[in-house]
Amino acid sequence: EDQVTQSPEALRLQEGESSSLNCSYTVSGLRGLFWYRQDPGKGPEFLFTLYSAGEEKEKERLKATLTKKESFLHITAPKPEDSATYLCVGRAAGNKLTFGGGTRVLVKP
Amino acid sequence: NAGVTQTPKFRVLKTGQSMTLLCAQDMNHEYMYWYRQDPGMGLRLIHYSVGEGTTAKGEVPDGYNVSRLKKQNFLLGLESAAPSQTSVYFCASSYAGTLTGELFFGEGSRLTVL
Repeated sequence: EDQVTQSPEALRLQEGESSSLNCSYTVSGLRGLFWYRQDPGKGPEFLFTLYSAGEEKEKERLKATLTKKESFLHITAPKPEDSATYLCVGRAAGNKLTFGGGTRVLVKP
Repeated sequence: NAGVTQTPKFRVLKTGQSMTLLCAQDMNHEYMYWYRQDPGMGLRLIHYSVGEGTTAKGEVPDGYNVSRLKKQNFLLGLESAAPSQTSVYFCASSYAGTLTGELFFGEGSRLTVL
């Protein structure tokens, strides 16, 4: 069975304190690893797609990386507006998406 | 630019009652999805559609039915609501299925079944 596990479940950061979120996956024939951001009371919003180990994608203070077993979302010098839940999603060979439980990030000023 | 719109946003039902959630998208997407999100769990796919007039079962389809009579609309029905169906429901659409991973989500419909 495909699984996507995110850690930690919650993360409290001071503004400017860089950190990384982890996403471990066991997805049969991985065909893509995606990151989403979800604000409270809202639907998930797409951030990145990664297709192969070694690939990196960046957007403002966020950088996503992919290895053969894990993906990381690095938040550099976060600001309060980066507070959100970040979701990791694996796409299997049969097009099925498996969502992780998310990491809640709170950035304090 | 509305994107994906879900109605209603909140609903309280009694066990055994029925209801329909409506999802509308204005992006001319072929693919539409219904997910549920429960605390501590990842989103789980209920049903999906690859085009007007088509529907298919996802991971957790029991107790739900769907219809896609028009390309822009995807309806999720609960025939006889149960407390286990208390959840937040999200509709999503995409132009390329799950190929790029880019799904556009609505803001969610919070359903409580008493």
